[in-house]
Amino acid sequence: GQQVMQIPQYQHVQEGEDFTTYCNSSTTLSNIQWYKQRPGGHPVFLIQLVKSGEVKKQKRLTFQFGEAKKNSSLHITATQTTDVGTYFCAGRTSQGSKLTFGTGTQLKVEL
Amino acid sequence: DTAVSQTPKYLVTQMGNDKSIKCEQNLGHDTMYWYKQDSKKFLKIMFSYNNKELIINETVPNRFSPKSPDKAHLNLHINSLELGDSAVYFCASSNRESGYGYTFGSGTRLTVV
Repeated sequence: GQQVMQIPQYQHVQEGEDFTTYCNSSTTLSNIQWYKQRPGGHPVFLIQLVKSGEVKKQKRLTFQFGEAKKNSSLHITATQTTDVGTYFCAGRTSQGSKLTFGTGTQLKVEL
Repeated sequence: DTAVSQTPKYLVTQMGNDKSIKCEQNLGHDTMYWYKQDSKKFLKIMFSYNNKELIINETVPNRFSPKSPDKAHLNLHINSLELGDSAVYFCASSNRESGYGYTFGSGTRLTVV
């Protein structure tokens, strides 16, 4: 079955440092989504990428979808303590098919 | 106004008991889901209903039975609870055709003792 892996599993950074999480799918995706889950909270939808090579930005967050539509990345510039949480990618192989979540990257930001 | 609401938020129960978790969404979405999140944070789909019809039924023990009385509600009943059922269960909803992001409920933390 479809597998979606993320690396790293954990990341500790100092506030102000950059952070990147990478998402790799075993199969080609029709689209990919990113979610953030704060400690003790629930996943919250951040963004969806659909086109090959697509890049989208939300303030300090930059999302990329790979050319082959099998990988994606989320980069956070100058992390803040409010960025703490687990970041999940989630991919679909076709429109309307089930969304498979990645294994997640837990980010901790230290002052 | 809560978009996707789950009850209860916490559930502590003994092995062998039967329990239910309720979920309601007021977003007008046509599809609802149950996800299980284990202690390692892995999110795994369990069931999905589209307009009251079961469309995804992953490899889940028969002890778990979802019910969707209408497209705004999706409940989860669990029989004969086991220690391994301890996890956080999330309900979510979306519009299936638009393929857009899921809206999750706040989760139910189930602890089986």
